Amino acid sequence: GNSVTQMEGPVTLSEEAFLTINCTYTATGYPSLFWYVQYPGEGLQLLLKATKADDKGSNKGFEATYRKETTSFHLEKGSVQVSDSAVYFCALRRGGADGLTFGKGTHLIIQP
Amino acid sequence: EAGVAQSPRYKIIEKRQSVAFWCNPISGHATLYWYQQILGQGPKLLIQFQNNGVVDDSQLPKDRFSAERLKGVDSTLKIQPAKLEDSAVYLCASSSPTAYGEQFFGPGTRLTVL
Repeated sequence: GNSVTQMEGPVTLSEEAFLTINCTYTATGYPSLFWYVQYPGEGLQLLLKATKADDKGSNKGFEATYRKETTSFHLEKGSVQVSDSAVYFCALRRGGADGLTFGKGTHLIIQP
Repeated sequence: EAGVAQSPRYKIIEKRQSVAFWCNPISGHATLYWYQQILGQGPKLLIQFQNNGVVDDSQLPKDRFSAERLKGVDSTLKIQPAKLEDSAVYLCASSSPTAYGEQFFGPGTRLTVL
């Protein structure tokens, strides 16, 4: 079956540090890949997505590249801010309207 | 544009009681999803509707959970009877008919079963 594995948290960084949150997946076929973010007290929001191999999704300074050969979709940001503190979820979807399969989430804490 | 609405936001019940959650998706979104998010885990899909028909309910515990989407708009998710392990946040999401349509999530209903 489909599954997503992402690094356990919490991840604690200082402001302006470089961020990487690892995500690998198992799926049949060619899934679409997503990063969702949940800020404190708010609902899940789509951060970025990639629908085919070698695509790069980007938003708000975050980037992730769909790597089929390593079945990975790592999230990166060059310089994090305190406002980036949130829980980040990696997810996949097999078909265009299918439900999402999520990882367990990574709690990111950015200290000033 | 209004987002996905859910109610109630919080619910506390005792085990063996029944409970129902309501979801109103974004206007025009044909596909509606219910997810269960247990503390410390990612959301897990329970059921997916396309208009008022069920597309996927393979992970729905059908002995106690039921869901319906009358008229292809609002949806209700019911648990009867509830167990302690049903304590979770229940998320509703909807997506538009376009291919690879983004899923928009509601704020969720936090259920505590005592």
